[in-house]
Amino acid sequence: NAGVTQTPKFQVLKTGQSMTLQCAQDMNHEYMSWYRQDPGMGLRLIHYSVGAGITDQGEVPNGYNVSRSTTEDFPLRLLSAAPSQTSVYFCASSTEGQVEAFFGQGTRLTVV
Amino acid sequence: RKEVEQDPGPFNVPEGATVAFNCTYSNSASQSFFWYRQDCRKEPKLLMSVYSSGNEDGRFTAQLNRASQYISLLIRDSKLSDSATYLCVVNRPGNTPLVFGKGTRLSVIA
Repeated sequence: NAGVTQTPKFQVLKTGQSMTLQCAQDMNHEYMSWYRQDPGMGLRLIHYSVGAGITDQGEVPNGYNVSRSTTEDFPLRLLSAAPSQTSVYFCASSTEGQVEAFFGQGTRLTVV
Repeated sequence: RKEVEQDPGPFNVPEGATVAFNCTYSNSASQSFFWYRQDCRKEPKLLMSVYSSGNEDGRFTAQLNRASQYISLLIRDSKLSDSATYLCVVNRPGNTPLVFGKGTRLSVIA
């Protein structure tokens, strides 16, 4: 089972560039979320979705956009990369009721 | 007060030791509680759910005290392979994602 797949695993961007982090799940989960993880800060919620066509902001949404056109995919777009967005990004999915969240392997992003 | 608070550690313990982690949560309406494990440079994975009556899975025991809004994880007979960061996780009522604590780092030393 693939579970939650994130691409790319590593990325280096220049300040001001834009890019999309891809996230796909094959478990038919309604809930999907994006987190960033920085040293000493833990996992911080960027955006989340409770179903296709529905998205909402988390704790740190500025500088990021999301969309959810299908149940399977939940891409995260960086509009104009900044060094402060250097982080490890995790995508997660879960069933309604959120008994367990399944995470992708993460994307290590460096903005120079 | 943060929604989920944990002692960040690190806890450095010898093999075979018993170690306990604590976590407090602020939302009294939370209904579901979990411990996740995260290895270095890897994604978090569910270790165990925490039930009101307490639950055990091998060397791991989780306890919940709703009155004090407190969750604990006890690891007995620590192994080198237990070295990881342990995340306390709580749900919020309604359609919102799980809330993760910052994690407690454990190093088991030979």
